[in-house]
Amino acid sequence: KNEVEQSPQNLTAQEGEFITINCSYSVGISALHWLQQHPGGGIVSLFMLSSGKKKHGRLIATINIQEKHSSLHITASHPRDSAVYICAVGGTNAGGTSYGKLTFGQGTILTVHP
Amino acid sequence: DGGITQSPKYLFRKEGQNVTLSCEQNLNHDAMYWYRQDPGQGLRLIYYSQIVNDFQKGDIAEGYSVSREKKESFPLTVTSAQKNPTAFYLCASSLGSSNTEAFFGQGTRLTVV
Repeated sequence: KNEVEQSPQNLTAQEGEFITINCSYSVGISALHWLQQHPGGGIVSLFMLSSGKKKHGRLIATINIQEKHSSLHITASHPRDSAVYICAVGGTNAGGTSYGKLTFGQGTILTVHP
Repeated sequence: DGGITQSPKYLFRKEGQNVTLSCEQNLNHDAMYWYRQDPGQGLRLIYYSQIVNDFQKGDIAEGYSVSREKKESFPLTVTSAQKNPTAFYLCASSLGSSNTEAFFGQGTRLTVV
């Protein structure tokens, strides 16, 4: 079973700071997802990536397949970025066919103060 | 607009009663999933379905049941056999193949009293 570890568990920042959240996993994957969960509970998919780097607005996600590691960066952070950020990986079975189901990290609670 | 709808958002039930949580999607996705979220823990898979009329147990299926009679719907029943049913439940869907984006509902917070 794939283990997914996120760090830090809690992160507090001042508005405008550059933020990095890390995710490490233990076995091979087909894709890695970064998700955002707001206090109301709903989850929004931010990125899905299997290699390299993706950028959307102030958010950047990178993945290093060899090191089994991904990072989520937020540039010029804003209080509205305050949320729980969740890393999740889509694994592969022994036969090499990927399942759609995901294994989730515990999440990183981000609080950005004005 | 396409998306996933979970209802209700908040649900209260008495201990010993079965309760069914609704999940509907109009994204034409083949795969649907139910997760449970507890404080301080990552989401855990309860059941998933990769195609209509078929579903598989996830990591914590005991005390739960599902059906997938229609592509759009994947209801979850929390039975009286579930020892600790109070939790936040999330439904998700995807196209079903690898490397596809997952879409989530807004969740249902179930409280058993």
